[in-house]
Amino acid sequence: DAGITQSPRYKITETGRQVTLMCHQTWSHSYMFWYRQDLGHGLRLIYYSAAADITDKGEVPDGYVVSRSKTENFPLTLESATRSQTSVYFCASDPGVNYEQYFGPGTRLTVT
Amino acid sequence: SQQGEEDPQALSIQEGENATMNCSYKTSINNLQWYRQNSGRGLVHLILIRSNEREKHSGRLRVTLDTSKKSSSLLITASRAADTASYFCAERGGTSYGKLTFGQGTILTVHP
Repeated sequence: DAGITQSPRYKITETGRQVTLMCHQTWSHSYMFWYRQDLGHGLRLIYYSAAADITDKGEVPDGYVVSRSKTENFPLTLESATRSQTSVYFCASDPGVNYEQYFGPGTRLTVT
Repeated sequence: SQQGEEDPQALSIQEGENATMNCSYKTSINNLQWYRQNSGRGLVHLILIRSNEREKHSGRLRVTLDTSKKSSSLLITASRAADTASYFCAERGGTSYGKLTFGQGTILTVHP
């Protein structure tokens, strides 16, 4: 199916565990982004990527790792999950600076 | 980087009335974008206005941009109950990587 997908949609994990959230887009967009959304904070950028093998930090990168070996995939890994990382995570992509972003449906992550 | 600010944080109106939301941003932008989010869903793009544009229309939506004041406004005319959602502005900086920085959002409630 064309579009941008995220998996899993819901995840419950324990403090200290490693968790990877997956993001896949079928448009071959250059740019991909990871955001987290928490009440009172709107959307905050975690990491973004302008192309395969090019990534850069956003506002809140601590505790997260990303990679982009293929244009269509942009996984986000929480190396050692903490309760403060309980949030809704959105992946997005776009073909360039002058274009709109397309958002995935989100992953609701709970860290217990 | 610090997010921009939106005003008001919440807006409650009756069907048929107009809704105006304002956004201030902090950086030199390439463009300013508006998004809508229904409860629990991903974001949907509404309008993109470039830094050299002053006004843009799309259906019942009208967006203005004042780069001298670093501000933008979104006007929804003849609102409907289905317009009830959160609305976010997002500034796209003039950097080579073009990350998108979101405001806190305005929660719009349209009463039938």
